[in-house]
Amino acid sequence: KAGVTQTPRYLIKTRGQQVTLSCSPISGHRSVSWYQQTPGQGLQFLFEYFSETQRNKGNFPGRFSGRQFSNSRSEMNVSTLELGDSALYLCASSGGDVVTGNTIYFGEGSWLTVV
Amino acid sequence: GDSVTQMEGPVTLSEEAFLTINCTYTATGYPSLFWYVQYPGEGLQLLLKATKADDKGSNKGFEATYRKETTSFHLEKGSVQVSDSAVYFCALSESRASGGSYIPTFGRGTSLIVHP
Repeated sequence: KAGVTQTPRYLIKTRGQQVTLSCSPISGHRSVSWYQQTPGQGLQFLFEYFSETQRNKGNFPGRFSGRQFSNSRSEMNVSTLELGDSALYLCASSGGDVVTGNTIYFGEGSWLTVV
Repeated sequence: GDSVTQMEGPVTLSEEAFLTINCTYTATGYPSLFWYVQYPGEGLQLLLKATKADDKGSNKGFEATYRKETTSFHLEKGSVQVSDSAVYFCALSESRASGGSYIPTFGRGTSLIVHP
């Protein structure tokens, strides 16, 4: 069974640009969540999508947005990039309900560097 | 709200030493508990989990027991290897039935360095 797949793995962007990251969850998983990981702030929750609807949201500015498609694949977008957005962005998937369980599985992450 | 507290790192050990990484939690309901491991340059991997009191999760020689009376889920391994060098995250997740959102709450992570 394939794991969570994230693309691209590495990217460099310039301040002010925007970026889109992609995530394919484990087959059958309907919940996809996104996290930002930095040395200073640790692991921070961005948002979670379940069946194409944003179900939970962390405390990030509106420049951070996401969506989920009918096949459960998800994208997150960061507009007007700032230097502080440089981080490892992690996607995780789970069944997302009481039947399929709440264990989340992470992808390898997308390393974003803003210069 | 929910919270997870892990011991500060880095933890530095010699190969074959005994490992304990402490984790305590605060939760309003009856959470599931997890340990994740992150090797350099990679994402987080699920190491083990426990879903009810007194459950013991185990994997790759690591163990942790869900202790409801002490709200703890300490990670242990009897003999560490250099390849165990990584960052270890303790986490909890509460079900929607108990008022949670399934979104895990993570600790800050504990770095483990194992020397030959």
